[in-house]
Amino acid sequence: EPEVTQTPSHQVTQMGQEVILRCVPISNHLYFYWYRQILGQKVEFLVSFYNNEISEKSEIFDDQFSVERPDGSNFTLKIRSTKLEDSAMYFCARSPPPGTGNTEAFFGQGTRLTVV
Amino acid sequence: AQKVTQAQTEISVVEKEDVTLDCVYETRDTTYYLFWYKQPPSGELVFLIRRNSFDEQNEISGRYSWNFQKSTSSFNFTITASQVVDSAVYFCALLGKNAGNMLTFGGGTRLMVKP
Repeated sequence: EPEVTQTPSHQVTQMGQEVILRCVPISNHLYFYWYRQILGQKVEFLVSFYNNEISEKSEIFDDQFSVERPDGSNFTLKIRSTKLEDSAMYFCARSPPPGTGNTEAFFGQGTRLTVV
Repeated sequence: AQKVTQAQTEISVVEKEDVTLDCVYETRDTTYYLFWYKQPPSGELVFLIRRNSFDEQNEISGRYSWNFQKSTSSFNFTITASQVVDSAVYFCALLGKNAGNMLTFGGGTRLMVKP
């Protein structure tokens, strides 16, 4: 059983459109992340979210991105006005809270976003 | 700043050969964690191992083994008797205790195992 489920698995959108990527953790963990992997490149950190607020974000995570946990369960990444260069695989991950001594990050299967 | 370097972008071996994937890291943290993930053609990231900076003991899990050398800042991964199913991209990653709770990934090594 996956630790984290992401929907959709693949999304195609037109440039300038808004997209929302969803992540559902199996267990009620507090620490979530979004990472991005442009095709053929390395995985890059976007943002971490802890206790319903952004904990850290990278320089990639600019004003067109936002995250929230609207219903206490789903964790979403919104891209307001997509650009061609947003085409990538987006991974959601979760880990136990800090201080538990366990730092493993378990990734969802990813959402492949294609902007045309 | 943290950095992970995987100098081998692509390796090709024949089945049953042993293969070692190199990983070199940089961090100012004294406490940190190192990881290996496997990304098969289907695209998901599969966790393989975590090692903390205070534990330099090498680890073996079946055909997989890991060699952590703090003196050279390396955390290499060896697959013994490789199989076609081992074909994937392998990522080494670093998490520094004081550098935020996020992973810094290397560029990945694409391993192709031919029958």
